[in-house]
Amino acid sequence: NAGVTQTPKFQVLKTGQSMTLQCAQDMNHEYMSWYRQDPGMGLRLIHYSVGAGITDQGEVPNGYNVSRSTTEDFPLRLLSAAPSQTSVYFCASRSPGGQPQHFGDGTRLSIL
Amino acid sequence: RKEVEQDPGPFNVPEGATVAFNCTYSNSASQSFFWYRQDCRKEPKLLMSVYSSGNEDGRFTAQLNRASQYISLLIRDSKLSDSATYLCVVNEVYKLSFGAGTTVTVRA
Repeated sequence: NAGVTQTPKFQVLKTGQSMTLQCAQDMNHEYMSWYRQDPGMGLRLIHYSVGAGITDQGEVPNGYNVSRSTTEDFPLRLLSAAPSQTSVYFCASRSPGGQPQHFGDGTRLSIL
Repeated sequence: RKEVEQDPGPFNVPEGATVAFNCTYSNSASQSFFWYRQDCRKEPKLLMSVYSSGNEDGRFTAQLNRASQYISLLIRDSKLSDSATYLCVVNEVYKLSFGAGTTVTVRA
């Protein structure tokens, strides 16, 4: 039982490049979310999903796309990387109701 | 107004001391509450859920006050290993809202 797995752990991009951050969970959780965390700030919700085929925007969705074709996977796509997207990205999953959230190890992304 | 607000600290306490801090939330319909711990921008890890009647987990005690819309965390007999950032988390049906965190540093 691996929990929530994020890849890659580290990535450096040039401005304008695109890439996909991968997230997979093996706990059969319906809810999945992507957050970013910047220095001195809390986690901010980018996008979330309450089940396969269903996604919605969070607090800071601009510049990012998501899809949820399966229960297990929830990739985050950066369309055209900008230096302002330099951050640590966390993927998380949980069951519905008042259940706690499980986090992946994070992806540390730098955009030059 | 932020949905979840925390005193950022830092709280700098000696080993063995008791430290307590609060978190306020704005949505009165919030359903469930948690405290998470985060070390050096690693992934947050669940410390404990917070129940209406209050609950303890070893040296940690959490309280919920729905009328005043705040939750609290108290750490007794602080250990060096308790040094971390503590995140207040509020469940609003489909999404969780995170506070920015309270930093606690326990010194020898």
